[in-house]
Amino acid sequence: ETGVTQSPTHLIKTRGQQVTLRCSSQSGHNTVSWYQQALGQGPQFIFQYYREEENGRGNFPPRFSGLQFPNYSSELNVNALELDDSALYLCASSELGLAALNEQFFGPGTRLTVL
Amino acid sequence: DAKTTQPNSMESNEEEPVHLPCNHSTISGTDYIHWYRQLPSQGPEYVIHGLTSNVNNRMASLAIAEDRKSSTLILHRATLRDAAVYYCILRGALSSNTGKLIFGQGTTLQVKP
Repeated sequence: ETGVTQSPTHLIKTRGQQVTLRCSSQSGHNTVSWYQQALGQGPQFIFQYYREEENGRGNFPPRFSGLQFPNYSSELNVNALELDDSALYLCASSELGLAALNEQFFGPGTRLTVL
Repeated sequence: DAKTTQPNSMESNEEEPVHLPCNHSTISGTDYIHWYRQLPSQGPEYVIHGLTSNVNNRMASLAIAEDRKSSTLILHRATLRDAAVYYCILRGALSSNTGKLIFGQGTTLQVKP
């Protein structure tokens, strides 16, 4: 089985622009979560998708949105970029199951820099 | 969500055991204790989890205090590859948000040759 992959690896945008980050989940996983990790901090939960619908969201504004597709791929979209959006963006896939037991498999992340 | 407290950093010598502590005094009876680690330039990876009893796997051991207010991740023989940030995370068995992991600052482990 293949692992979780993300693209692009690095990205530079300017303030006000829009960005789309992509993730390919591990085969068979029906749930994908996205996290934002600022430099020197732990990852912060953005939202989770299950069967192509959002089913959980952290403390992030609506300009952060996502999509999940049937082929195990997903996207994170961020509109009206701000300087503070500069961070490592991680996606994680898992099988939906008993919350306490399902292991999250993380991708290597996309490093976004907003100038 | 229950909070965890970990030391900011720890050092170890290669091939020696490492004990990484975590305090979670507000843990509820249905919270599982999970550990993830993040190697440099990589996403986090699962290490181990437990509820009440001590747990062992190929990567590490997890020792859980009898009152469950603290736990210790044990790496039996540290290698240079174990240098990473280690996160102790509580996950509620009854949580409706199954994917959400709440990361703290974690413990940065340095392994010296």
